[in-house]
Parts: sequence; C-alpha cells; structure tokens
Amino acid sequence: GENVEQHPSTLSVQEGDSAVIKCTYSDSASNYFPWYKQELGKGPQLIIDIRSNVGEKKDQRIAVTLNKTAKHFSLHITETQPEDSAVYFCAASISHPLKLIFGTGTRLQVFP
Amino acid sequence: KAGVTQTPRYLIKTRGQQVTLSCSPISGHRSVSWYQQTPGQGLQFLFEYFSETQRNKGNFPGRFSGRQFSNSRSEMNVSTLELGDSALYLCASSLGDRGDNSPLHFGNGTRLTVT
Repeated sequence: GENVEQHPSTLSVQEGDSAVIKCTYSDSASNYFPWYKQELGKGPQLIIDIRSNVGEKKDQRIAVTLNKTAKHFSLHITETQPEDSAVYFCAASISHPLKLIFGTGTRLQVFP
Repeated sequence: KAGVTQTPRYLIKTRGQQVTLSCSPISGHRSVSWYQQTPGQGLQFLFEYFSETQRNKGNFPGRFSGRQFSNSRSEMNVSTLELGDSALYLCASSLGDRGDNSPLHFGNGTRLTVT
C-alpha cells in the first residue's frame, strides 16, 4: 500500500525566513497531495493541495511543488510569522474516493 | 458556512465498554471519513461513507464500525474498548461525488481516553 515519508520532524526558523518541508510517496497511482496545518487542540486545516497534472501551486506565502518522476512533493512557506508555528502534515491519495495516507508530521516553530 | 462538528469533544471510558462518536458534515457534503490520530501511529484512515454506504475501509479490527444517515450525519462506534484505543478521532467531510475534486475538511475531533 501507499506510504508517505515526511522530513524533517521538527523545524525551527527565525521570523521572516523561509521553511521547506519535504515528502516522498510510494504509490505511483497517487494523484492528489494536500497539506494540512494542525494547531494545538484543533483538527487539521487544509492549507493547500496539488494534483498530479500540476507541477507547482502558490497561494500567497505558501507554495507546493510536485515531482512525479521522483515521487516527491514539498511545502514552501516564505516570510514566516509566529502564527505559522504548528504541526504540518503532508498526505497522498488516489483522488476518488479520498483515502488520505498521511506523513508523520513536521513541528514548525517560528521564533520572533 | 458551519464547519464539521464533532461531539462530544472529550470522552473517558473504561476498558471493555463501548463508545459512539458523532459527526455532522459541512452542509451539502455527502462524504464523511473517519481518522484516528495517536502520537505513535499518526493519522490513520478508518473508513469513508457516501450516501449511507461504506465505500472504503482502513486496516482496523471489526470492533470499529460506523454508519451514515440519510442527512449525511455519521456515527462511529468502538466496542470492547482497549487501552490502545485512546486517541483523537477525527471526522472529515467532502462533496464526495465520483470525479469530484473536493478536498477533505476536518472537524476538531473527539478525544477518547480509555482507562
């Protein structure tokens, strides 16, 4: 079955710096890759997603890139702010019906 | 639009008991999925329902079951609780139609503690 590896497990950056989180998936049939942000006491919140027919997608300070050949996808956060501090999860799925396989999470800390 | 609502937020049960968790999806969403989140195993898929039918199931024992009602609300049940069932149980909803590209939106979960 599908397996998703996520690195690093923790990431500390200074406010204003960029943060990059990387994921690798195993099933070449996967074609949907969302990223979720989870704050303490809350459920995961979708922040951006990408489908396999697209190589890159941006939304303000957040971008995701996908390399289908290498089965890698990455989350890029620019100009980080303290409120970006949270646990970030990548996931992969065959788009229908949705059955997300999650990575193990990255705890991002942004220091003022 | 209201988000995914899960009740209760917290539950404490004893080994051997059973528990029922409830989920109300976003209005108009017909697919409801359930996930278990633990520190050791992370986020794991339990099952997915669409139009009152289970379409997909994860690798959990038969003690874990669910159902969906005609109004798309869903419940999951865990029988004969074990200590290892202590977890955050998350419900997520999506439009769910075949060919649909609607993402999953999660609720804030039910924290189950088994003593």
